[in-house]
Amino acid sequence: DVKVTQSSRYLVKRTGEKVFLECVQDMDHENMFWYRQDPGLGLRLIYFSYDVKMKEKGDIPEGYSVSREKKERFSLILESASTNQTSMYLCASSLGQLSGANVLTFGAGSRLTVL
Amino acid sequence: GQNIDQPTEMTATEGAIVQINCTYQTSGFNGLFWYQQHAGEAPTFLSYNVLDGLEEKGRFSSFLSRSKGYSYLLLKELQMKDSASYLCAVKDSNYQLIWGAGTKLIIKP
Repeated sequence: DVKVTQSSRYLVKRTGEKVFLECVQDMDHENMFWYRQDPGLGLRLIYFSYDVKMKEKGDIPEGYSVSREKKERFSLILESASTNQTSMYLCASSLGQLSGANVLTFGAGSRLTVL
Repeated sequence: GQNIDQPTEMTATEGAIVQINCTYQTSGFNGLFWYQQHAGEAPTFLSYNVLDGLEEKGRFSSFLSRSKGYSYLLLKELQMKDSASYLCAVKDSNYQLIWGAGTKLIIKP
């Protein structure tokens, strides 16, 4: 019954390292999203994609990049990790046009600690 | 700016009823969502409201008043497994979701 899979549940990286967070969905969804979740704050959108090779910046794209080479896979890249990127990262996907009642299906999250 | 407000934490008793409020100020409105998130797990969809009124789904109901910028999630016959965070999110005029910080609900026996 797995739908959205994030490759790593827990990662510990050092400042300056390059970090890849992988997300795969098996529901043939067009839209994929990367959020970060921090205590006391709502989910914040980093990047999203509504088609293969398409990407759009969200509210907090600085320090991040993404890649969507295949429909089912959406990768989040931290080119040079910093301590303020320590967070829980949630991947999500949805079907249909963004103007509709798209229900997001989330992955279990990747908790990243940057030392 | 855009803002979603919900209480940080609430406590209720098993078997009782609890109402979690959400008020919003957004640039445009294209629907309101409630998600449930158990500790350490993925958020899961509970309800969607786009028109005023009450939507009932088993023990859970969600209400919307667009004129007041207000919604609530009503949970009846509370069970211990309802202990979780409840996230309110509004889709704005650009069809982007604006999220509240979530309400942590603690159920006591």
